[in-house]
Amino acid sequence: SYELTQPPSLSVSPGQTATIPCSGDNLDDKYVCWYQQRPGQSPVLLIYYDSKRPSGFPERFSGSNSGNTATLTISGTQTLDEADYYCQAWDSSTVVFGAGTRLTVL
Amino acid sequence: QVQLVESGGGVVQPGGSLRLSCGASGFTFSSHSMHWVRQAPGKGLDWVAGILYDGKKKDYADSVKGRVSISRDNYSNRVYLQLNSLRPEDTAVYYCARRGFGVLLEAFDYWGQGILVTVSS
Repeated sequence: SYELTQPPSLSVSPGQTATIPCSGDNLDDKYVCWYQQRPGQSPVLLIYYDSKRPSGFPERFSGSNSGNTATLTISGTQTLDEADYYCQAWDSSTVVFGAGTRLTVL
Repeated sequence: QVQLVESGGGVVQPGGSLRLSCGASGFTFSSHSMHWVRQAPGKGLDWVAGILYDGKKKDYADSVKGRVSISRDNYSNRVYLQLNSLRPEDTAVYYCARRGFGVLLEAFDYWGQGILVTVSS
């Protein structure tokens, strides 16, 4: 079965750029979505179609997908960006999530 | 506004059954595929099942195939998840999620608040 791999955690200082990778075989053959989940809350769609942002999310959130790796980039990270971030893709008719990356801003 | 509200969770013994329900409002329910995603305590997101907008196609994760059944009622705007032969490892918050369409086809653009299922004796 298809797998998506993410680092379990990442720490950045406020104002720095956070880069969260998501890897899978020939991942750029698929469209990747990203979700943000704050503690105790439901996931929220953050990025779709590799790099599109739903209205409501600031431009400092961006996504890309090339080769075997999709990347979520958060520029000028703020403390309110502390959350878990999940990548997601479709494998035929089933859905695959990465294990998630916990972003700490301190 | 789009709302998805899950219900039916609770504590059940191993081997037992439970039926989760998700009520939808604020959009044309019959136009969207609907899915269930779960999250075990302290763990990541785990896709469980999905059903096409008209109910004619259903897909399941290997981990639940044969024990879980998804269904929908487009008249009452509800999607269901029947959980059978429950195991302790099925303990999780279960989310109902809407699949988008058009440019959002690959995404789950709305999620419910989740409902806790605890499998324990």
